[in-house]
Amino acid sequence: EAGVAQSPRYKIIEKRQSVAFWCNPISGHATLYWYQQILGQGPKLLIQFQNNGVVDDSQLPKDRFSAERLKGVDSTLKIQPAKLEDSAVYLCASSLLVIAGQPQHFGDGTRLSIL
Amino acid sequence: GQQVMQIPQYQHVQEGEDFTTYCNSSTTLSNIQWYKQRPGGHPVFLIQLVKSGEVKKQKRLTFQFGEAKKNSSLHITATQTTDVGTYFCAVGDSWGKLQFGAGTQVVVTP
Repeated sequence: EAGVAQSPRYKIIEKRQSVAFWCNPISGHATLYWYQQILGQGPKLLIQFQNNGVVDDSQLPKDRFSAERLKGVDSTLKIQPAKLEDSAVYLCASSLLVIAGQPQHFGDGTRLSIL
Repeated sequence: GQQVMQIPQYQHVQEGEDFTTYCNSSTTLSNIQWYKQRPGGHPVFLIQLVKSGEVKKQKRLTFQFGEAKKNSSLHITATQTTDVGTYFCAVGDSWGKLQFGAGTQVVVTP
């Protein structure tokens, strides 16, 4: 099966600019996650979708981050305006169902650098 | 939320040696997953543990869930250069949400 697709792979912007990331999950996977992984740390969940609804966005900095999954398939994550501390890899993951114990399948991520 | 501590943070291993990485929590866990992330890569699912005292093996990797379901371990025997990477434990909730530990970065010397 095709894996989780993410684009772009790399992005360099200046602080206060905006940026958007795209994710296409594995076909048929109802649940989609966005993570932020800062260098040397584990992935930190930003938002979890089931189909086109939000399950958990408690750790999403909503003053600058937004995400949507309008048709319940692909998703976009936006940062506006970007801050220096947003430099990280943004990982998208998907799983078949929104229940405990489902393995999550990750994309290659977008490496964001803020100048 | 649940806090999970992983130790050690860094492990330097000679090829052929064994090593163990640990994941500890102060609260009882419903389930725990382990992932491996190669340098420059993305996390890849290895295993899930659900039952108290559960032990699962994948070739040279042995995963264990503590009797009290508050800790877990990953033991690798006869380390190979292909074992290089960062190993994460991740604590799951009933909605499939995962909280990842900080990981154990493994470096293997030939």
